[in-house]
Amino acid sequence: QSALTQPRSVSEFPGQSVTISCTGTSSDIGGYDYVSWYQQFPGRVPKVMIYDVNKRPSGVPGRFSGSKSGNTASLTISGLQTGDEADYYCCSYAGSNTYVFGTGTKVSVL
Amino acid sequence: VQLVESGGGLVQPGGSVRLSCAASGFTFNYYWMDWVRQAPGQGLAWVSRVSPDGSVTRYADSVKGRFTISRDNAKSTLSLQMSGLRAEDTAVYYCVREERDTYELDYWGQGNLVTVSS
Repeated sequence: QSALTQPRSVSEFPGQSVTISCTGTSSDIGGYDYVSWYQQFPGRVPKVMIYDVNKRPSGVPGRFSGSKSGNTASLTISGLQTGDEADYYCCSYAGSNTYVFGTGTKVSVL
Repeated sequence: VQLVESGGGLVQPGGSVRLSCAASGFTFNYYWMDWVRQAPGQGLAWVSRVSPDGSVTRYADSVKGRFTISRDNAKSTLSLQMSGLRAEDTAVYYCVREERDTYELDYWGQGNLVTVSS
């Protein structure tokens, strides 16, 4: 149950795109199409942005998209806005009815 | 949907505490439920999960044998009994609902701080 690996931080200018990677193993990300992504503002409750690799809950802007290749999942934010500055966490089903979260990535808008 | 946690606070190392989560606004016994924690200034960590009827429970290795998840579907309540507490268990504990037929943690409670310290 080791945490999934994410970059500590990423930054980009408004209007640009940023991609956050989330690397696991064949026992979690690589074994299942059940990766989700959560956005968390300081002092606030996490909010799901993507589930089942690439599905968006209603109300989440189309600027947020997810993908997966092998043992690595990715979250892309297009048309970056200042309001997107937050921490982002990936999460994967890891078999045997368990989950594992990523280490978290701080997104900064320059 | 509302998830309201209670029961946290200051606990001595080696001590015990029981967290509760009162659920409303949905048919509680249809959903898997989870506990997720976040240590101060740290990331999210999955703690435990229970099936809709309570027959299946799972735990993170870090809490296995010390924490027990349970639910009372008649009262729409989720619980986490925590014992043998350590300083590293200090965290905000979130009660979380899983959306049906997906692995999406779709609704989160406000969180409840448990501090393990002498």
